[in-house]
Amino acid sequence: NAGVTQTPKFQVLKTGQSMTLQCAQDMNHNSMYWYRQDPGMGLRLIYYSASEGTTDKGEVPNGYNVSRLNKREFSLRLESAAPSQTSVYFCASSAGPYKSPLHFGNGTRLTVT
Amino acid sequence: DQQVKQNSPSLSVQEGRISILNCDYTNSMFDYFLWYKKYPAEGPTFLISISSIKDKNEDGRFTVFLNKSAKHLSLHIVPSQPGDSAVYFCAAKTGTASKLTFGTGTRLQVML
Repeated sequence: NAGVTQTPKFQVLKTGQSMTLQCAQDMNHNSMYWYRQDPGMGLRLIYYSASEGTTDKGEVPNGYNVSRLNKREFSLRLESAAPSQTSVYFCASSAGPYKSPLHFGNGTRLTVT
Repeated sequence: DQQVKQNSPSLSVQEGRISILNCDYTNSMFDYFLWYKKYPAEGPTFLISISSIKDKNEDGRFTVFLNKSAKHLSLHIVPSQPGDSAVYFCAAKTGTASKLTFGTGTRLQVML
């Protein structure tokens, strides 16, 4: 049982390059999320999708775009990477909006030079 | 503005003793609280939760206490084991909102 799968695990970009982080879940969950984790900052929500066909901004959306491709997949795109986007990115999913814990992937470590 | 705060970045405890991790929040609309555990190079994993209608929830060695008047929750681990060494995040949400707000984490080290 894979749960939440994120690709790639590691990535190094130069400033200005673009890339897409992929996320897929096999738990038939309705909601999906992208968080970033930075030292001393905890996990901060970038974007989320409460259900297929909807996306909403979280706490730190600037510089990112998302696509809920279908119920299983939720991608995060950096159009023009900046050093401030160096972080560990986590995708998560949950069954629904209330009393449903989030299940996380193992993260993508991104470095922007 | 940090709505969920974990003021202790780290905690060391002897094996077999109690570990107490603390979390404070400022948003009185939060009504559901969770604790996550995170090992290095892995994603956070759900540990235990509590609804605001309760003041205590137990699951094996883990108990979460909620004091709504003080806007404070704590996670007790008894007895602590070396495998409990990890970073612990508390998180909170409001009503039917999808979003979870996380604290900054506390690194627990359980010593032999």
